Amino acid sequence: ETGVTQSPTHLIKTRGQQVTLRCSSQSGHNTVSWYQQALGQGPQFIFQYYREEENGRGNFPPRFSGLQFPNYSSELNVNALELDDSALYLCASSFASGASTDTQYFGPGTRLTVL
Amino acid sequence: GENVEQHPSTLSVQEGDSAVIKCTYSDSASNYFPWYKQELGKRPQLIIDIRSNVGEKKDQRIAVTLNKTAKHFSLHITETQPEDSAVYFCAARARGSGYSTLTFGKGTMLLVSP
Repeated sequence: ETGVTQSPTHLIKTRGQQVTLRCSSQSGHNTVSWYQQALGQGPQFIFQYYREEENGRGNFPPRFSGLQFPNYSSELNVNALELDDSALYLCASSFASGASTDTQYFGPGTRLTVL
Repeated sequence: GENVEQHPSTLSVQEGDSAVIKCTYSDSASNYFPWYKQELGKRPQLIIDIRSNVGEKKDQRIAVTLNKTAKHFSLHITETQPEDSAVYFCAARARGSGYSTLTFGKGTMLLVSP
């Protein structure tokens, strides 16, 4: 098992609400990437945080936002939830030096259900 | 951006047989190719990875091959066991401006029958 943890494990929200998901990175890692995994699909890149700044973003709207803290833990915030946001949200921790990111280790995920 | 295609989507084998999963990628600048195993309800776990400066890597019953010219890489599992049953994802590291991240295939469900 990796040292990456996520909370909560499960969450049920209704359409239009807002949600915050949390991730603690593995010791020694400085980068957190967030992915959305819909049922039966591979993880899709949402964004990446390095040194407390977003330094890369996938094809997700601005209502998906995040933060990284000085201890390298991270939050993913989703506003105005839609039914299609129902998915497993995974964070992955890694060590980055400049533009090169090493192996990514995943947390257990947060299962979000939007009703 | 990077695009990763993975085949087959489902693979059924008998215990002891070999299993091969193939992936192709589009970005010739990609230089790192990990494979993850995801059991039902669990996190993706890294099982093996390969960098573009080598053509093959082996770890016990698992091996990965990379053909940079053709832009494809494959996972080989020998002497399969029921506990190998899971969804396997290939990925390619894509480089953006000042960062790099993973683009995943859609996964292969491997079923190993006793």
